[in-house]
Amino acid sequence: AQKVTQAQTEISVVEKEDVTLDCVYETRDTTYYLFWYKQPPSGELVFLIRRNSFDEQNEISGRYSWNFQKSTSSFNFTITASQVVDSAVYFCALSEDLYNQGGKLIFGQGTELSVKP
Amino acid sequence: DSGVTQTPKHLITATGQRVTLRCSPRSGDLSVYWYQQSLDQGLQFLIQYYNGEERAKGNILERFSAQQFPDLHSELNLSSLELGDSALYFCASSPRSMGSAEQYFGPGTRLTVT
Repeated sequence: AQKVTQAQTEISVVEKEDVTLDCVYETRDTTYYLFWYKQPPSGELVFLIRRNSFDEQNEISGRYSWNFQKSTSSFNFTITASQVVDSAVYFCALSEDLYNQGGKLIFGQGTELSVKP
Repeated sequence: DSGVTQTPKHLITATGQRVTLRCSPRSGDLSVYWYQQSLDQGLQFLIQYYNGEERAKGNILERFSAQQFPDLHSELNLSSLELGDSALYFCASSPRSMGSAEQYFGPGTRLTVT
């Protein structure tokens, strides 16, 4: 069965600290996609990144970076030099490539990040 | 702004009532998804439509139904409402029917059942 686990429920850091949000997934499919979404206090869900299972190359976008490791079924998200505006709930999600599954996202429980000035 | 619109933003209603939530996908997107976010269940997939047809079903109650119209907007109908149906309901859209495309989410409809 498919499952996404974000073991960290809440993380609190001080501005400018680096922080890593963990994500572990389970799937029997060989082709799948992993996502991170941000949910700021205003409530909307903002797409951050998508990776497919064949591409283990790490990705960096500004202060954000993602580490995908198939060997440990993990897709971790690091924010470098955190800022107060990074305070939000971050969700990791999995989508499989099966016709009868459509494109549904399976979400983790989310990690609430609080960045204090 | 994701380009996905949802109305209404807030909805307060009583138990036993029926409500309709509306979603317009991003221009060009054929898939519409509905998700429910609640404190106890987290973010859960309800149902997906692709180009007017039901594509995948998740943990959607029999009291809930959805459809996608020829202009690709979608409606989620919730009937015989219970207190436990209070939640944030999101609509998302993507260009394709399968898991390879990112989904862009609307701002959500917050439903409160009293």
